[in-house]
Amino acid sequence: DIEMTQSPSSLSASVGDRVTITCRASQTISKYLNWYQQRPGKAPELLIYASSTLQNGVPSRFTGSGSGTDFTLIINNLQPEDFATYSCQQSYRTPWTFGQGTKVEIK
Amino acid sequence: EVQLVESGGGLAKPGGSLRLSCAGSEYPFSHYSMSWVRQAPGKGLEWVASISASTVYIFYADSVKGRFTISRDNAENSLFLQMNDLRAEDTAVYYCARDLAFDFGDPLGYWGQGTLVTVSS
Repeated sequence: DIEMTQSPSSLSASVGDRVTITCRASQTISKYLNWYQQRPGKAPELLIYASSTLQNGVPSRFTGSGSGTDFTLIINNLQPEDFATYSCQQSYRTPWTFGQGTKVEIK
Repeated sequence: EVQLVESGGGLAKPGGSLRLSCAGSEYPFSHYSMSWVRQAPGKGLEWVASISASTVYIFYADSVKGRFTISRDNAENSLFLQMNDLRAEDTAVYYCARDLAFDFGDPLGYWGQGTLVTVSS
């Protein structure tokens, strides 16, 4: 199975900050990397797919990049609604696997 | 707007069974692959099973293989998860999710609100 490792597990940031979350795959997954946002008590929502493509309606302050084994999610100008948990997922090969999640908290 | 509504969760005893359902609407249900993803309390997301639009492809996580069965009824716009031999570690919120586009393995573009399954004696 392909293991997905995110870092950090959590972080504290302020409104307006730039936040960087990384995701590493245990083997190459090309660009089959997706990011999900999950607000407390809510279902996950697709944020970015194929490493860098924003899902419809996602603000441009979210940026995804990477290929192979190393991927990055950047949130510029952090907004109050961005405080949530972010999870990466590989869709290269079954079993689809998720990272453990990164919780972005208010400083 | 795509809608996915899960039902069927609840309390089950270890070794017991539950059948989850997911009703899809506002899109051509039969055109898209579907998946179940679960989240144990305070934990991350775990993919459980997926089924392609025509049921040609069906895959399971090792943790549920042989105990859970995913199926769908395209005429009824419904997805199912039959869960047998339930264990305490199956306790989780179960989400159904639809692929973003038509290819099997596409990102999970739409999610239901989830249904809680608790396995306890």
